[in-house]
Amino acid sequence: GAGVSQSPSNKVTEKGKDVELRCDPISGHTALYWYRQSLGQGLEFLIYFQGNSAPDKSGLPSDRFSAERTGGSVSTLTIQRTQQEDSAVYLCASSLAVTGMNEQFFGPGTRLTVL
Amino acid sequence: QKEVEQNSGPLSVPEGAIASLNCTYSDRGSQSFFWYRQYSGKSPELIMSIYSNGDKEDGRFTAQLNKASQYVSLLIRDSQPSDSATYLCAVPISGGGADGLTFGKGTHLIIQP
Repeated sequence: GAGVSQSPSNKVTEKGKDVELRCDPISGHTALYWYRQSLGQGLEFLIYFQGNSAPDKSGLPSDRFSAERTGGSVSTLTIQRTQQEDSAVYLCASSLAVTGMNEQFFGPGTRLTVL
Repeated sequence: QKEVEQNSGPLSVPEGAIASLNCTYSDRGSQSFFWYRQYSGKSPELIMSIYSNGDKEDGRFTAQLNKASQYVSLLIRDSQPSDSATYLCAVPISGGGADGLTFGKGTHLIIQP
């Protein structure tokens, strides 16, 4: 595909359940990023991958959040034991990750609602 | 913690006029700067990147960077109603190649027909 794709587009879950969000980056982009945007809040960085490794996990809000990337392509963000405060739009972006130039292109997002 | 500050607006501009959006950042070492446009209910769309002091033009958009003043702006010429959106300014969290971005809260721009 031409752009970053994410699935599902919407996810409604009950408090305490686990959820998995998927991101498929632009073909050839080596770097992949996860952000979240809560209602009325700014974009919050969560984690990024360079290839399959995650040099910066500093933005993950708690140990209930984890992410992995395999084959240097698709990534999944997993939230365990979801809480209502996890409700947000989860955005994935990818970039070529050329030093000094880091233009990131976003997918359409996954809207997560925790009841 | 890097900070990016923007006036939340709303900034109201008549159609055909120049819209001027401003952003200041806290880290003097920042080297890359990005402007994103976000329509309500949609994801951010990259519209401009700038890496050197001065102006960078792309169609109706001009980004202006002043590293000494830690200030980056976006000018939109001949504003159209379709330009009505929230504009987000962003800088890399670290000075390296790939890293996450720190975003401002965004400026809500309204173009009045």
